Amino acid sequence: AQSVAQPEDQVNVAEGNPLTVKCTYSVSGNPYLFWYVQYPNRGLQFLLKYITGDNLVKGSYGFEAEFNKSQTSFHLKKPSALVSDSALYFCAVRSDSNYQLIWGAGTKLIIKP
Amino acid sequence: GAVVSQHPSRVICKSGTSVKIECRSLDFQATTMFWYRQFPKQSLMLMATSNEGSKATYEQGVEKDKFLINHASLTLSTLTVTSAHPEDSSFYICSARPGTGYSNQPQHFGDGTRLSIL
Repeated sequence: AQSVAQPEDQVNVAEGNPLTVKCTYSVSGNPYLFWYVQYPNRGLQFLLKYITGDNLVKGSYGFEAEFNKSQTSFHLKKPSALVSDSALYFCAVRSDSNYQLIWGAGTKLIIKP
Repeated sequence: GAVVSQHPSRVICKSGTSVKIECRSLDFQATTMFWYRQFPKQSLMLMATSNEGSKATYEQGVEKDKFLINHASLTLSTLTVTSAHPEDSSFYICSARPGTGYSNQPQHFGDGTRLSIL
């Protein structure tokens, strides 16, 4: 069965510090991995994806994520957090043979000044 | 690019009213659109997958007669909540994906519709 785990409900980081939002997955076949961000009362915005190729993927707003096949992880990272990064972050996965995305529960990221 | 427009953004209406929500892909064609429901502080719950020119595929537990989906063109899908009741109050979000079949393109989301049934 396909699944996505975001083990942290909330992550607190001081502004200027690096941040990591964790995501692990389970899927049969080759994974397609995505990160989205949601601001209050808004839809989701696409940040980045991993399909194939370089394990380090760079996306919008200075975010990046590293695909680790052996650990089945796709953690979201940013070297220096901004207060404006505070939002809800979702990891999602699908296999290359299934069009349906499986969503993580979401992680609330709070960046304190 | 890849903009999805969802309308209306907020609806407040009386119990028993039917409400239609539109989802448009503005700068790309989408053979597949998705309708989600999101409860407060929770993840997205996929309600149905809308396929242009054919019947929508509903997830288990979602009443197809309650949530009518029409995907009549490559840029428009509509969700109609029929005879809405207070328990239908929620945040509904649509998404559209460029390409066809098992495209690896990401889904792009509308801004959601906050539905409040009094």
